[in-house]
Amino acid sequence: AQSVSQHNHHVILSEAASLELGCNYSYGGTVNLFWYVQYPGQHLQLLLKYFSGDPLVKGIKGFEAEFIKSKFSFNLRKPSVQWSDTAEYFCAGGLYNQGGKLIFGQGTELSVKP
Amino acid sequence: DVKVTQSSRYLVKRTGEKVFLECVQDMDHENMFWYRQDPGLGLRLIYFSYDVKMKEKGDIPEGYSVSREKKERFSLILESASTNQTSMYLCASSLGTSGGQETQYFGPGTRLLVL
Repeated sequence: AQSVSQHNHHVILSEAASLELGCNYSYGGTVNLFWYVQYPGQHLQLLLKYFSGDPLVKGIKGFEAEFIKSKFSFNLRKPSVQWSDTAEYFCAGGLYNQGGKLIFGQGTELSVKP
Repeated sequence: DVKVTQSSRYLVKRTGEKVFLECVQDMDHENMFWYRQDPGLGLRLIYFSYDVKMKEKGDIPEGYSVSREKKERFSLILESASTNQTSMYLCASSLGTSGGQETQYFGPGTRLLVL
């Protein structure tokens, strides 16, 4: 069965610390992968996405993610977090040509201490 | 900018009531989606629609139905609300022409409490 899982439910970091949020997927085909973010009181919005090409993708606000096919992973990284990165982060995946239907992970709540 | 609006931010209903949640997008998107968001479970797809009058079940369609009579509007219906349908409901839309690679744009959500 298709699935997306996020390992960390709640991560607490101090400002300037490095961030890595784990995401693993289980799909039998060409997969599109996404990271979405929900800042407090705001709409869910896209951080970055991968569907082909360079496995290292860069997104908004200094975030990047690496697609590692052999590990079925798409981890999100940021070298130095800021207090404004406090938010909930969702990994999502979908098969190519499945009408844009996505499966979301459980979400990771990130708290950054000033 | 794409705008997805939802009819209510907060809603309180009684068990057994019929509940309508409305979603409107202003960018002529083909695809529209309804999710529910629960702590620790992420977002789960209830229904989606890839064209007017077309719909497909998502992962948790039981107890819900949908209607898409116009391209810009996608309604979620709880036929007989139950307490386990208390949740945050999110609507989203996407262009629908790029093999599933396009971004989904989300509305602000409706927090529904069923008493």
